[in-house]
Amino acid sequence: GQNIDQPTEMTATEGAIVQINCTYQTSGFNGLFWYQQHAGEAPTFLSYNVLDGLEEKGRFSSFLSRSKGYSYLLLKELQMKDSASYLCAQRGGGNKLTFGTGTQLKVEL
Amino acid sequence: EAGVTQFPSHSVIEKGQTVTLRCDPISGHDNLYWYRRVMGKEIKFLLHFVKESKQDESGMPNNRFLAERTGGTYSTLKVQPAELEDSGVYFCASSQVASSRNEQFFGPGTRLTVL
Repeated sequence: GQNIDQPTEMTATEGAIVQINCTYQTSGFNGLFWYQQHAGEAPTFLSYNVLDGLEEKGRFSSFLSRSKGYSYLLLKELQMKDSASYLCAQRGGGNKLTFGTGTQLKVEL
Repeated sequence: EAGVTQFPSHSVIEKGQTVTLRCDPISGHDNLYWYRRVMGKEIKFLLHFVKESKQDESGMPNNRFLAERTGGTYSTLKVQPAELEDSGVYFCASSQVASSRNEQFFGPGTRLTVL
């Protein structure tokens, strides 16, 4: 099976930068997604990487290294509303997603 | 444009009872997926429809679970009879076929509690 590893929880300060790492198994790789999920709500799409490198979208960026089976999500200028769970998900065959357990980010004043 | 909707938002039933969950995907999305998150674990894939056909049902835990998508629009997931270990949050997602990114849009989930 495909194992996705990411830290369980992180804490950061409002206005700071935080990097959430994710490692995955490289076999059958077909894309890497990051989702944000607030408690009790739907996971919402943040970013997608299928080629090596950095994808930037406003305050959020995501990086991928296919050879290392590694991705990170970078959040800049943190805001209190960024407190949420961040889910790393690998797409395999047939478009199904395999998720990590999520990283619970707490943004403090 | 309306997002993916799921009904009910919560369901509490007793062991041995039957529950049916419903998912309405985004209009025009041919792909529909069911996932489940058991407490403390990761979100896990259950199955994938393309229109009304089951493309992949490799994640369905056992034959107590039955998913349908008659007409290729909304989908139902029935659990009969429910067991304690079926408790969790059931998510539905949908996507279009056209884009290479093919991102999945998720619904808010149905929280199922089996007592």
